[in-house]
Amino acid sequence: DQQVKQNSPSLSVQEGRISILNCDYTNSMFDYFLWYKKYPAEGPTFLISISSIKDKNEDGRFTVFLNKSAKHLSLHIVPSQPGDSAVYFCAASERRTYKYIFGTGTRLKVLA
Amino acid sequence: DVKVTQSSRYLVKRTGEKVFLECVQDMDHENMFWYRQDPGLGLRLIYFSYDVKMKEKGDIPEGYSVSREKKERFSLILESASTNQTSMYLCASSLNWVRGGELFFGEGSRLTVL
Repeated sequence: DQQVKQNSPSLSVQEGRISILNCDYTNSMFDYFLWYKKYPAEGPTFLISISSIKDKNEDGRFTVFLNKSAKHLSLHIVPSQPGDSAVYFCAASERRTYKYIFGTGTRLKVLA
Repeated sequence: DVKVTQSSRYLVKRTGEKVFLECVQDMDHENMFWYRQDPGLGLRLIYFSYDVKMKEKGDIPEGYSVSREKKERFSLILESASTNQTSMYLCASSLNWVRGGELFFGEGSRLTVL
């Protein structure tokens, strides 16, 4: 039973355009959501997070949107750059349980 | 900067061997985690620890054990390695949930079991 789903395994975007990566979750107890970026043969690096009390968080080119009623979050990257090409994982946590559940990842390719 | 260091980047072991994967973090984080990453399956939690000598099973603990004797060190043990344990293993740490929450990952250990 996959509690965090990334239904698009891959996404290609032209350089300079917007990349939108989506994530759905099923557990209404999740109260903290994170996005990670992973290059091959490296560990994931933290990008941005959002608490369930907010619906938007922005950090430079990265914005995360949370729609609690739809149990959906998305990561927007504007403008997309070739260096953004990587696998992106969303993760959700019910923080008091210490557990983080990850999605299966979306491979983003930004075309120059 | 938080640093999470995994002792081996690449290992090749034989079926039945005992395997130790070591992880050390230098930021006094309470929580430590072991994940494995497999294509199409994302990151799956094997075990985590929220304090010294405390451990909790994650989603796929079978065939693994862990040890946390010191706050900074969290070891993953494969008692008898099998080919289906060939994977990328990722260690992570975090502050407790009251003080923060993001996970900091190590570089990963690519294990191949022949």
